[in-house]
Amino acid sequence: EVQLVESGGGLVQPGGSLRLSCAASGFTFSNYWMSWVRQAPGKGLEWVANIKQNGGENYYVDSVKGRFSISRDNAKNSLFLQMSTLRAEDTALYYCASSTTLGYYFDYWGQGTLVTVSS
Amino acid sequence: AIRMTQSPSSLSASTGDKVTITCRASQGVSSYLAWYHQKPGKAPELLIYAASTLQGGVPSRFSGSGSGTDFTLTISCLQSEDFGTYYCQQYYSYPRTFGPGTKVDIK
Repeated sequence: EVQLVESGGGLVQPGGSLRLSCAASGFTFSNYWMSWVRQAPGKGLEWVANIKQNGGENYYVDSVKGRFSISRDNAKNSLFLQMSTLRAEDTALYYCASSTTLGYYFDYWGQGTLVTVSS
Repeated sequence: AIRMTQSPSSLSASTGDKVTITCRASQGVSSYLAWYHQKPGKAPELLIYAASTLQGGVPSRFSGSGSGTDFTLTISCLQSEDFGTYYCQQYYSYPRTFGPGTKVDIK
């Protein structure tokens, strides 16, 4: 059974940093593109970033470029999102999601970890 | 960025009804379009990719069509478990973008 379990969310002040983690199991993690997708409270879905199977390629939505960094550790079946210079508008539930084909669409999702940016 | 729109933004229908949701892209995305279903408090689930290919395990009452800029998700016979919000997503280019969602209530 595919499982994606996010952790690391919490309350952080504006300008602060946070590192999210996603532990994967039930599939060959190193074969899949991985993504972070977020959902602000009561709002729709926003793709944040993704990373290629070997970590050698990644993409970001413009609003987080230069502030967020996606990475992965295939030996530990883990995905990460280092977030810095956080803003109130980054407040959201952050989902980890897998993509079977070239990072196109998202076939499995975790349950999310909540990030709240507030003073 | 490619902007996705959906209509209607919400609808209410009875079990057994046929439901149609429309998604439009601000520029052509070929068939690089997916549909998701999200129930309140739950993660989204993939329903359809490549505009019309049903994800494994998804009931056959769901179907998708379209290409270019105009797409449709159809639920042929609405069931009680189909309530929630439906999102379309293009993967033709970066950034990947989602539609604003269509909320489906069961009468």
